[in-house]
Amino acid sequence: EVQLVESGGDLVQPGGSLRLSCAASGFTFSSHWMSWVRQGPGKGLEWVANVNPDGSVKYYVDSVRGRFTISRDNAKDSLYLQMNSLRAEDSAVYYCARWGILGGRSGLDFWGQGLLVTVSS
Amino acid sequence: QTVVTQEPSLTVSPGGTVTLTCASNTGAVTSAFYPNWYQQKPGQVPRPVIYNTNTRHPWTPARFSGSLLGGEAALTLSGVQPEDEAEYYCLLLCGGAWVFGGGTKLTVL
Repeated sequence: EVQLVESGGDLVQPGGSLRLSCAASGFTFSSHWMSWVRQGPGKGLEWVANVNPDGSVKYYVDSVRGRFTISRDNAKDSLYLQMNSLRAEDSAVYYCARWGILGGRSGLDFWGQGLLVTVSS
Repeated sequence: QTVVTQEPSLTVSPGGTVTLTCASNTGAVTSAFYPNWYQQKPGQVPRPVIYNTNTRHPWTPARFSGSLLGGEAALTLSGVQPEDEAEYYCLLLCGGAWVFGGGTKLTVL
């Protein structure tokens, strides 16, 4: 059974940092593109970042580029999101999600339960 | 900056048919945008419905279909069931970045 379990969410002050983790199981993690997607309170979904299977290619939404870093450790079947210089507008539920085996052609086929990040003083 | 637009809300009667659309401000949506559709009910994780324009996931009922219609991506629900009431989001690949639409709140009434 495919499972994606996020951890690391918390309350952090503006300007602070946080590292989110996502532990994957039930599939060959190193074969799939992975993403972080977020949803602000009462708002829609926003794609945040993508990383390719070997971690060498990364894409970001403009609003986080230069502040957030997506990475992965295939030996640990884990995905990460390092978030620096956090702003109030980064407050959201953050989802770890898997792309199907064909990458973008396959859609985000499995999602974690999400975790809450709150940026507030 | 790419903006992806969906109808904010739609209402359909049980058993009816409804089409949700997804447009890009950069021009016509084509298969190269790899349109995806996701369903989200209140308090739940988004559930994938359609990928690559018109392919259903194994768990997606046959009443859901995806297409391209008049330069937009479209999600059609035929024979709508009460449990289809939800928010629906499209997702497009726009120049290397993925962009979600604002979502359509579908009410079954």
